[in-house]
Order: sequence, then structure tokens, then C-alpha cells
Amino acid sequence: QVQLVQSGAEVKKPGSSVKVSCKASGGTFSSYAISWVRQAPGQGLEWMGGIIPIFGTANYAQKFQGRVTITADESTSTAYMELSSLRSEDTAVYYCARDRCSGGSCYPYSSFDYWGQGTLVTVSS
Amino acid sequence: QSALTQPASVSGSPGQSITISCTGTSSDVGGYNYVSWYQQHPGKAPKLMIYDVSNRPSGVSNRFSGSKSGNTASLTISGLQAEDEADYYCSSYTSSSTVFGTGTKVTVL
Repeated sequence: QVQLVQSGAEVKKPGSSVKVSCKASGGTFSSYAISWVRQAPGQGLEWMGGIIPIFGTANYAQKFQGRVTITADESTSTAYMELSSLRSEDTAVYYCARDRCSGGSCYPYSSFDYWGQGTLVTVSS
Repeated sequence: QSALTQPASVSGSPGQSITISCTGTSSDVGGYNYVSWYQQHPGKAPKLMIYDVSNRPSGVSNRFSGSKSGNTASLTISGLQAEDEADYYCSSYTSSSTVFGTGTKVTVL
């Protein structure tokens, strides 16, 4: 059974950066895209970007271009999301999520069947 | 990329059927058959309920069904049950990314 386990909660100052990890187990890591989705308190889901580890190139939502960096380490089956220039509006639960399918006719980032438990990032002075 | 539009809330009595709409554009919902639906209970991670417009993952009740017409997708929950009370989000693939809907709170009366 696939499991995604994320790093723990973070409290950050405005203007700083945060890096959240997502370790996968129980399945093939490299060929499935991993996305990062965030949810501000009481708000909806927001796709930030994703990466297909075997290719190593990330795609980002336009809103986060230049401020987010998504990477993956195939040797440890771990994906990372780093968000810089933090502001109070970045306070949210950040989830990693794995694509339902890989390769062939699958469009990456089209649906997510495994999710991490979420990581609360609080930005406060 | 703008969020897909969903009604803020939908309610129904146990046993009834409800439908949640998800409206996008020809660049997302209308352009691809890659609409998904997620259920989220408070404090929990989202759960995939429908993928590729109308397909159910293994283990998801057949009371959940999806469809699409033009730029609008729909999720229907039939035989509404108490445990269906949750937030529901649609999403659509769009040009090497995905966009989520605004979310709908389903209340079982």
C-alpha cells in the first residue's frame, strides 16, 4: 500500500523560506508525478506544482512561479517543496499527492489517489 | 488560472440524490476528459471519488457518479447518507497543470 509521510508542522517569520518533505513508501516512486496542494484555513484546495521524479523537471502554477521550488530525490523516494518570501497569506496546510497513474496515456497531474497527511505551515511575526 | 466554479453548498435528506456542478472553460473542463472529484472531511486529506469524468476508484461506492457536458462537470450522490456530509472539490487537467474548484459543502439534513 502506498503511503506518503510528510514532515512536521513549521512556524516561520515573514520573508523567510520553508521546505516540506514527502517520503513515499510501498510503491514505485520515480514514474509517478507528485504534486503539492495547499489549503488555507477555511479555504479550498490550490494546486501549486508538481514533479515527475524520473524526469526531474517540475511544473508550477503561474501564481507560484519564482517563489516555489519542487524537487525529488529518487534515492530516498522523497519529494520536497520549498516556498520562499513567506507572507501571512501562505499560512496553510500543505499536502503532497501522488498521481493515480503514470506513463502511456496518463496526463500528469490529472488526478491524485494518494495523499500525505498534510503539514501546517504558520507564517507569523 | 482561475478556480473552477462550484456552488458553495448543497443539501439533501437521507436517501435523496443531489448533484454538484463544476463549471470551467474550454481550456480546462471542456477541453479534456480529465475531471476528478474529491471528498474531504474536516481535518482530513482529500479522497479521490471520481477520475476521468466518470470513473470510480476501487472501493468508492457506486452511489457516486460523474458526468460532463461542455464546460460543466457534475457529481451526483444518490441514496444520500450521513457519512456523505463533507466538502467536495472538482479538479480539471489544464495544460501541464491542474485547477481545483471552489468547493461545495454537502449537508445531510
